[in-house]
Amino acid sequence: DTAVSQTPKYLVTQMGNDKSIKCEQNLGHDTMYWYKQDSKKFLKIMFSYNNKELIINETVPNRFSPKSPDKAHLNLHINSLELGDSAVYFCASSQGRASSYNEQFFGPGTRLTVL
Amino acid sequence: TQLLEQSPQFLSIQEGENLTVYCNSSSVFSSLQWYRQEPGEGPVLLVTVVTGGEVKKLKRLTFQFGDARKDSSLHITAAQPGDTGLYLCAGDMEYGNKLVFGAGTILRVKS
Repeated sequence: DTAVSQTPKYLVTQMGNDKSIKCEQNLGHDTMYWYKQDSKKFLKIMFSYNNKELIINETVPNRFSPKSPDKAHLNLHINSLELGDSAVYFCASSQGRASSYNEQFFGPGTRLTVL
Repeated sequence: TQLLEQSPQFLSIQEGENLTVYCNSSSVFSSLQWYRQEPGEGPVLLVTVVTGGEVKKLKRLTFQFGDARKDSSLHITAAQPGDTGLYLCAGDMEYGNKLVFGAGTILRVKS
């Protein structure tokens, strides 16, 4: 029944490692997003895909690479993890251009801690 | 400088009190959304306002969109401990695609 799911929920890793976060939505939405929420709870968009096509790519280091194998899945791979990457990463989906309001449905988040 | 200024950042009140959260910008939005986030979970959409001057009510929560579609407010009447959480406003900058979020208001309602 879960609308937007993410794995893993928690990720603790060492600096320099490479890690991936996976996201799936079963809402039939065309657009998916990755957001980063910092320790002050500020939520900032990182990437957006519409029907597997990258449409938003904010100022994010090249170490972050999103991939959308199909419109129901959006993964985030992070290379050479740094301390500053520690945050909660949220996946979200919306009807995108099909809806003029762009309402977002968020996953439960992945708390990434880089040691 | 944030595109959407949200205030206050933190609010701690007693059960039964009223409160208002503000979201202001110099930019015009095609719509403005309010979300509520509980610890360990993702934000959940509460309401979307679209028309300048629009007022929407959700039980004890009243949402208003400014006439010029640059600002919004959330008013909670007789707050309950279950209202505790992080409230986020988000403006739709362009038609579709991208939301800009305010910094959030952490609300704590004490019983």
